[in-house]
Amino acid sequence: KAGVTQTPRYLIKTRGQQVTLSCSPISGHRSVSWYQQTPGQGLQFLFEYFSETQRNKGNFPGRFSGRQFSNSRSEMNVSTLELGDSALYLCASSLEGTLRGDTQYFGPGTRLTVL
Amino acid sequence: DQQVKQNSPSLSVQEGRISILNCDYTNSMFDYFLWYKKYPAEGPTFLISISSIKDKNEDGRFTVFLNKSAKHLSLHIVPSQPGDSAVYFCAASRRSAGKLQFGAGTQVVVTP
Repeated sequence: KAGVTQTPRYLIKTRGQQVTLSCSPISGHRSVSWYQQTPGQGLQFLFEYFSETQRNKGNFPGRFSGRQFSNSRSEMNVSTLELGDSALYLCASSLEGTLRGDTQYFGPGTRLTVL
Repeated sequence: DQQVKQNSPSLSVQEGRISILNCDYTNSMFDYFLWYKKYPAEGPTFLISISSIKDKNEDGRFTVFLNKSAKHLSLHIVPSQPGDSAVYFCAASRRSAGKLQFGAGTQVVVTP
């Protein structure tokens, strides 16, 4: 079974731009969660989508948004990029999400650099 | 508000010996705990988990111990192998909340 895939793997943007990251979950998984990893803050939860609905949200500003499609693929969008948004963005999928205690499986991440 | 803490940023252990990684949490509502391993330029890989109704779970060389009264869990790796050199993250969740909270990670280096 293929794992979680994320595209692109690397991205360089400038301040003020917007960016869209993509995540394809493991086949059959309906929950997709997004995390931001930075050296200073570690791994922080952004949001979780299940059946095209946002089920949970972390403490991030409204510039961070996401969506999920009917095939469970998910996209994350960051608008008006700031230098502090430079990070590794990780996507994780699970069968039903952590509400059911399902294990989350992570993709390789997208490394975003904001100049 | 860091609810999951890994106080040791790094750990060096000899090949063949036991690695013990520690994790403390503050939220008594957490009921599910996991350990992930992460290599550079890769996403975290799930290692082992434990539910709050248990105090020990074992999978091959990996054993996780949970002490609910102390709000502490640990991961034991026996025997340690060079391929175990990675960053290890402890994570916890409240199943009703549906999101994982991660510790800052512990860098493990296994030396020959």
